[in-house]
Amino acid sequence: DAKTTQPNSMESNEEEPVHLPCNHSTISGTDYIHWYRQLPSQGPEYVIHGLTSNVNNRMASLAIAEDRKSSTLILHRATLRDAAVYYCILRGLMDTGRRALTFGSGTRLQVQP
Amino acid sequence: ETGVTQTPRHLVMGMTNKKSLKCEQHLGHNAMYWYKQSAKKPLELMFVYNFKEQTENNSVPSRFSPECPNSSHLFLHLHTLQPEDSALYLCASSQVSGGSSYEQYFGPGTRLTVT
Repeated sequence: DAKTTQPNSMESNEEEPVHLPCNHSTISGTDYIHWYRQLPSQGPEYVIHGLTSNVNNRMASLAIAEDRKSSTLILHRATLRDAAVYYCILRGLMDTGRRALTFGSGTRLQVQP
Repeated sequence: ETGVTQTPRHLVMGMTNKKSLKCEQHLGHNAMYWYKQSAKKPLELMFVYNFKEQTENNSVPSRFSPECPNSSHLFLHLHTLQPEDSALYLCASSQVSGGSSYEQYFGPGTRLTVT
C-alpha cells in the first residue's frame, strides 16, 4: 500500500478553520484518498474521500493537489467535538470490502475554546 | 439499534478464561472486519469476512478465533490470552459491490484487559 505522512498533532481554536495536511508522494493513479477520524473512546468514522477533484460534504472539504501527491482536509469551523485523531488513508480502485483499511498514526487535533 | 454495535463494551479476563466478543451490523452490509488497537499503536487489521467467508487473516495467533454465522453478525472467540493482548477491539462493516471503494462503519469497540 502507498504510504501517507501526517503531522503527529495540531492545535486549533474553536470557530476557526483547520487545515489538516497529508502527503502521499507514492500515490498511484487509481488510489482514492480517504479520511477517517476517531473521537475519544469511539471507533473511527468516515469523513470524506476523493480521487482527483476537490470534494465537499456536510462534515468537511477535501482539497487534492493537482499532482495528487498531497491533500488537505478542511474543517471550516472547528468545534470542541472535532477534537479527534484524523487519519489519511489511500485505497486502490479495486479495494472493495476485500481489503481493509491500513491506518497510520494520524494527526491528533486539539481544539481550544 | 442502528449502525454497528459491539458487546460487551468492557471485558476483564484471566489468561485461562474463554470469552467471546460480539459484533452486529444493522446496515445491510456484506463484509465485516475485526481490528485491534493497542495503546500508542495504529489500528491493525485482524480478520476480514466477505459474504460470511473469511478472506483475510493478518497472521493472527490461533488464540483468537473468528466466527461469522451470517452477514450481520461477527464473533471473536478468545482463549488462553496473554496480557499483551489487552487492547481495544473494533468491529467494522462495509458494502462490497463491484470495483468501487466503499467506506467502512465502525462499532464503538470492546476494551479488553487480560490479567
